[in-house]
Amino acid sequence: DIQMTQSPSSLSASVGDRVTITCRASQSISSYLNWYQQKPGKAPKLLIYAASSLQSGVPSRFSGSGSGTDFTLTISSLQPEDFATYYCQQSYSTPPTFGQGTRLEIK
Amino acid sequence: EVQLVETGGGLIQPGGSLRLSCAASGFTVSSNYMSWVRQAPGKGLEWVSVIYSGGSTYYADSVKGRFTISRDNSKNTLYLQMNSLRAEDTAVYYCARDHSGSYRHWGQGTLVTVSS
Repeated sequence: DIQMTQSPSSLSASVGDRVTITCRASQSISSYLNWYQQKPGKAPKLLIYAASSLQSGVPSRFSGSGSGTDFTLTISSLQPEDFATYYCQQSYSTPPTFGQGTRLEIK
Repeated sequence: EVQLVETGGGLIQPGGSLRLSCAASGFTVSSNYMSWVRQAPGKGLEWVSVIYSGGSTYYADSVKGRFTISRDNSKNTLYLQMNSLRAEDTAVYYCARDHSGSYRHWGQGTLVTVSS
């Protein structure tokens, strides 16, 4: 199975900050990488698919980049509603696997 | 509008069985890849199973031989039959519509608690 490792595991930031979350795959996954946002008690929400494509309806302050084994999710200017947990997920091979999550908290 | 509604969760004793349902609207289950993803309390996301539009099924090693994914085309509903349940199966179970490997639509989740 492909292991996905996110860093950091938690992050404190302020409204208006630029934030970057990293996801590393244990082997090359080309661009088969997706990002989700999850708020407490809610289902995950797809933000970015295929490493850098913005899902419809997702604000443009979210962006993704990377290929191969190293990927990043960037939020250009944090908004209050962005404080949540973020997960990466590889869709290169079965079983699909998720990173352990990055909890983004208010500073 | 796409909607997924899971039902069937609850408290079950170790070794017991439970069937989860996921009723879909706004699209046809049988024409899509459909997955189950679970989340143990306070933990991350774990993929459980997928059924392809052609009917092929795949499972996580942790549930293989105990869980069965299926669908009822006439009811546009996805199922997860869970047998020989263990404490470590305790989780919120989500059904999700799989679009080229990304999960664009999710249900609200149903909680399964395995405990004596």
